[in-house]
Amino acid sequence: ETGVTQTPRHLVMGMTNKKSLKCEQHLGHNAMYWYKQSAKKPLELMFVYNFKEQTENNSVPSRFSPECPNSSHLFLHLHTLQPEDSALYLCASSQDRLAPEQFFGPGTRLTVL
Amino acid sequence: ELKVEQNPLFLSMQEGKNYTIYCNYSTTSDRLYWYRQDPGKSLESLFVLLSNGAVKQEGRLMASLDTKARLSTLHITAAVHDLSATYFCAVDNTDKLIFGTGTRLQVFP
Repeated sequence: ETGVTQTPRHLVMGMTNKKSLKCEQHLGHNAMYWYKQSAKKPLELMFVYNFKEQTENNSVPSRFSPECPNSSHLFLHLHTLQPEDSALYLCASSQDRLAPEQFFGPGTRLTVL
Repeated sequence: ELKVEQNPLFLSMQEGKNYTIYCNYSTTSDRLYWYRQDPGKSLESLFVLLSNGAVKQEGRLMASLDTKARLSTLHITAAVHDLSATYFCAVDNTDKLIFGTGTRLQVFP
Protein backbone atom coordinates (compact mmCIF):
# COMPACT_ATOMS: atom_id res chain seq x y z
CA GLU A 1 0.00 0.00 0.00
CA THR A 2 1.16 3.52 -0.64
CA GLY A 3 0.40 6.92 0.79
CA VAL A 4 -1.85 7.33 3.80
CA THR A 5 -4.41 4.65 4.64
CA GLN A 6 -7.23 4.73 7.16
CA THR A 7 -9.42 2.02 8.62
CA PRO A 8 -12.27 1.56 8.90
CA ARG A 9 -13.67 3.66 6.09
CA HIS A 10 -17.12 3.73 7.68
CA LEU A 11 -18.11 3.32 11.32
CA VAL A 12 -21.46 3.45 13.05
CA MET A 13 -21.41 3.40 16.83
CA GLY A 14 -23.67 4.00 19.77
CA MET A 15 -22.92 6.62 22.38
CA THR A 16 -21.76 4.01 24.90
CA ASN A 17 -19.42 2.17 22.56
CA LYS A 18 -15.65 2.29 22.46
CA LYS A 19 -13.97 2.15 19.08
CA SER A 20 -10.66 3.13 17.49
CA LEU A 21 -9.73 4.68 14.18
CA LYS A 22 -6.43 3.71 12.62
CA CYS A 23 -4.15 5.61 10.30
CA GLU A 24 -0.98 4.37 8.66
CA GLN A 25 1.40 6.27 6.42
CA HIS A 26 3.90 4.66 4.07
CA LEU A 27 5.71 7.87 3.13
CA GLY A 28 8.47 7.89 5.71
CA HIS A 29 7.02 11.02 7.29
CA ASN A 30 7.53 12.09 10.88
CA ALA A 31 4.46 14.22 11.53
CA MET A 32 0.88 12.98 11.62
CA TYR A 33 -2.40 14.78 12.10
CA TRP A 34 -6.05 14.15 12.91
CA TYR A 35 -8.67 16.44 11.37
CA LYS A 36 -12.44 16.54 11.74
CA GLN A 37 -14.59 17.51 8.77
CA SER A 38 -18.22 18.27 9.59
CA ALA A 39 -20.88 19.25 7.10
CA LYS A 40 -20.74 22.93 6.17
CA LYS A 41 -17.79 23.64 8.49
CA PRO A 42 -14.12 24.14 7.72
CA LEU A 43 -11.71 21.32 8.34
CA GLU A 44 -10.70 21.39 12.02
CA LEU A 45 -7.30 20.31 13.26
CA MET A 46 -7.61 18.03 16.30
CA PHE A 47 -4.18 16.64 17.13
CA VAL A 48 -0.63 16.79 15.84
CA TYR A 49 2.20 14.38 16.49
CA ASN A 50 5.76 15.16 15.52
CA PHE A 51 8.33 12.38 15.92
CA LYS A 52 5.76 10.49 18.06
CA GLU A 53 5.34 13.41 20.45
CA GLN A 54 2.01 15.22 20.68
CA THR A 55 2.63 18.87 19.82
CA GLU A 56 -0.93 20.10 19.40
CA ASN A 57 -4.22 19.39 21.09
CA ASN A 58 -6.71 21.81 19.66
CA SER A 59 -9.10 21.90 22.63
CA VAL A 60 -10.49 18.51 21.75
CA PRO A 61 -12.87 16.85 24.27
CA SER A 62 -11.37 14.03 26.29
CA ARG A 63 -13.75 11.50 24.72
CA PHE A 64 -11.24 11.59 21.82
CA SER A 65 -7.90 10.07 22.79
CA PRO A 66 -5.03 9.92 20.30
CA GLU A 67 -2.16 7.47 20.32
CA CYS A 68 0.98 7.46 18.21
CA PRO A 69 3.07 4.34 18.90
CA ASN A 70 5.54 5.12 16.09
CA SER A 71 5.98 7.59 13.25
CA SER A 72 4.00 5.43 10.83
CA HIS A 73 0.87 4.78 12.89
CA LEU A 74 -1.70 7.00 14.48
CA PHE A 75 -4.84 5.98 16.34
CA LEU A 76 -7.87 7.87 17.54
CA HIS A 77 -9.64 6.12 20.41
CA LEU A 78 -13.30 6.99 20.80
CA HIS A 79 -15.52 6.54 23.84
CA THR A 80 -18.91 7.89 24.96
CA LEU A 81 -19.26 10.01 21.85
CA GLN A 82 -22.14 12.35 21.10
CA PRO A 83 -24.25 12.53 17.92
CA GLU A 84 -22.58 15.86 17.08
CA ASP A 85 -19.29 13.98 16.79
CA SER A 86 -20.57 12.39 13.59
CA ALA A 87 -18.21 13.58 10.85
CA LEU A 88 -15.49 12.57 8.45
CA TYR A 89 -12.21 12.07 10.32
CA LEU A 90 -9.16 12.62 8.19
CA CYS A 91 -5.61 11.62 8.94
CA ALA A 92 -2.70 13.40 7.29
CA SER A 93 1.08 13.23 7.37
CA SER A 94 3.96 15.46 6.42
CA GLN A 95 7.73 15.13 6.38
CA ASP A 96 7.84 16.91 9.71
CA ARG A 97 5.96 19.61 11.56
CA LEU A 98 7.57 22.37 9.49
CA ALA A 99 7.14 20.73 6.08
CA PRO A 100 4.88 22.72 3.75
CA GLU A 101 2.75 19.94 2.38
CA GLN A 102 0.39 17.48 4.07
CA PHE A 103 -0.85 14.28 2.50
CA PHE A 104 -4.30 13.10 3.47
CA GLY A 105 -5.82 9.67 3.93
CA PRO A 106 -9.27 8.72 2.58
CA GLY A 107 -10.97 9.37 5.88
CA THR A 108 -13.31 7.47 8.19
CA ARG A 109 -16.98 8.40 7.98
CA LEU A 110 -18.22 8.17 11.58
CA THR A 111 -21.87 8.12 12.55
CA VAL A 112 -22.82 8.25 16.24
CA LEU A 113 -26.34 7.10 17.01
CA GLU B 1 -7.10 34.40 15.45
CA LEU B 2 -6.51 33.60 11.79
CA LYS B 3 -9.65 33.40 9.67
CA VAL B 4 -9.77 32.09 6.13
CA GLU B 5 -12.66 32.97 3.88
CA GLN B 6 -13.43 31.59 0.46
CA ASN B 7 -15.86 32.86 -2.08
CA PRO B 8 -17.98 31.86 -3.66
CA LEU B 9 -19.09 28.95 -1.51
CA PHE B 10 -20.88 27.38 -4.43
CA LEU B 11 -20.15 27.82 -8.11
CA SER B 12 -22.12 26.37 -10.98
CA MET B 13 -20.48 27.02 -14.33
CA GLN B 14 -20.81 25.93 -17.88
CA GLU B 15 -18.12 23.93 -19.62
CA GLY B 16 -15.70 26.11 -21.51
CA LYS B 17 -16.13 29.13 -19.26
CA ASN B 18 -13.53 30.80 -17.05
CA TYR B 19 -13.91 31.69 -13.40
CA THR B 20 -11.90 32.59 -10.30
CA ILE B 21 -12.21 31.38 -6.71
CA TYR B 22 -10.96 33.74 -4.03
CA CYS B 23 -9.31 32.97 -0.71
CA ASN B 24 -8.85 35.81 1.80
CA TYR B 25 -7.12 35.46 5.13
CA SER B 26 -6.90 37.73 8.10
CA THR B 27 -3.30 37.65 9.39
CA THR B 28 0.15 37.56 7.87
CA SER B 29 1.23 34.32 6.28
CA ASP B 30 3.38 33.49 3.29
CA ARG B 31 2.39 29.85 2.90
CA LEU B 32 -0.87 28.88 1.30
CA TYR B 33 -2.18 25.61 -0.10
CA TRP B 34 -4.98 24.58 -2.41
CA TYR B 35 -6.65 21.19 -2.11
CA ARG B 36 -9.31 19.39 -4.10
CA GLN B 37 -11.87 17.03 -2.57
CA ASP B 38 -14.19 14.80 -4.59
CA PRO B 39 -17.42 13.60 -2.92
CA GLY B 40 -16.70 10.90 -0.38
CA LYS B 41 -12.99 11.14 -1.04
CA SER B 42 -10.00 12.63 0.73
CA LEU B 43 -8.16 15.87 0.05
CA GLU B 44 -5.74 15.97 -2.85
CA SER B 45 -2.97 18.56 -2.83
CA LEU B 46 -3.12 20.85 -5.85
CA PHE B 47 -0.75 23.74 -5.22
CA VAL B 48 1.74 24.86 -2.61
CA LEU B 49 2.42 28.62 -2.68
CA LEU B 50 5.35 29.66 -0.52
CA SER B 51 6.06 33.29 -1.33
CA ASN B 52 4.51 36.57 -2.36
CA GLY B 53 3.81 36.64 -6.07
CA ALA B 54 3.98 32.85 -6.41
CA VAL B 55 2.05 31.55 -9.39
CA LYS B 56 1.57 27.90 -10.24
CA GLN B 57 -0.32 26.24 -13.04
CA GLU B 58 -1.47 22.71 -13.63
CA GLY B 59 -3.69 22.03 -16.61
CA ARG B 60 -6.75 24.28 -16.50
CA LEU B 61 -6.02 25.51 -12.96
CA MET B 62 -3.75 28.37 -11.98
CA ALA B 63 -3.14 29.56 -8.43
CA SER B 64 -1.53 32.78 -7.26
CA LEU B 65 -0.63 34.36 -3.94
CA ASP B 66 -0.50 38.02 -2.92
CA THR B 67 0.69 38.10 0.69
CA LYS B 68 0.37 41.87 0.95
CA ALA B 69 -3.31 41.71 0.05
CA ARG B 70 -3.67 38.43 2.01
CA LEU B 71 -5.34 36.96 -1.04
CA SER B 72 -4.96 33.87 -3.15
CA THR B 73 -6.86 33.08 -6.30
CA LEU B 74 -7.59 29.83 -8.08
CA HIS B 75 -8.38 30.52 -11.71
CA ILE B 76 -10.21 27.99 -13.83
CA THR B 77 -9.75 28.20 -17.59
CA ALA B 78 -12.18 26.56 -20.02
CA ALA B 79 -13.85 24.43 -17.37
CA VAL B 80 -14.56 20.75 -18.00
CA HIS B 81 -16.86 18.39 -16.09
CA ASP B 82 -13.89 16.58 -14.49
CA LEU B 83 -13.13 19.72 -12.49
CA SER B 84 -16.36 19.34 -10.52
CA ALA B 85 -15.27 19.00 -6.87
CA THR B 86 -14.88 21.04 -3.71
CA TYR B 87 -11.78 23.24 -3.55
CA PHE B 88 -10.21 24.30 -0.26
CA CYS B 89 -7.53 26.82 0.48
CA ALA B 90 -5.51 26.47 3.66
CA VAL B 91 -3.21 29.02 5.26
CA ASP B 92 -0.20 28.14 7.36
CA ASN B 93 -0.44 29.84 10.75
CA THR B 94 2.54 29.11 13.00
CA ASP B 95 2.83 25.59 11.62
CA LYS B 96 -0.90 24.92 11.80
CA LEU B 97 -3.10 24.80 8.72
CA ILE B 98 -6.32 26.80 8.89
CA PHE B 99 -8.76 25.78 6.18
CA GLY B 100 -11.36 27.82 4.36
CA THR B 101 -14.94 26.59 4.17
CA GLY B 102 -14.44 25.33 0.64
CA THR B 103 -15.91 26.20 -2.75
CA ARG B 104 -18.14 23.56 -4.27
CA LEU B 105 -17.69 23.70 -8.03
CA GLN B 106 -20.17 22.12 -10.40
CA VAL B 107 -19.44 22.17 -14.13
CA PHE B 108 -22.33 21.39 -16.46
CA PRO B 109 -22.41 20.86 -20.25
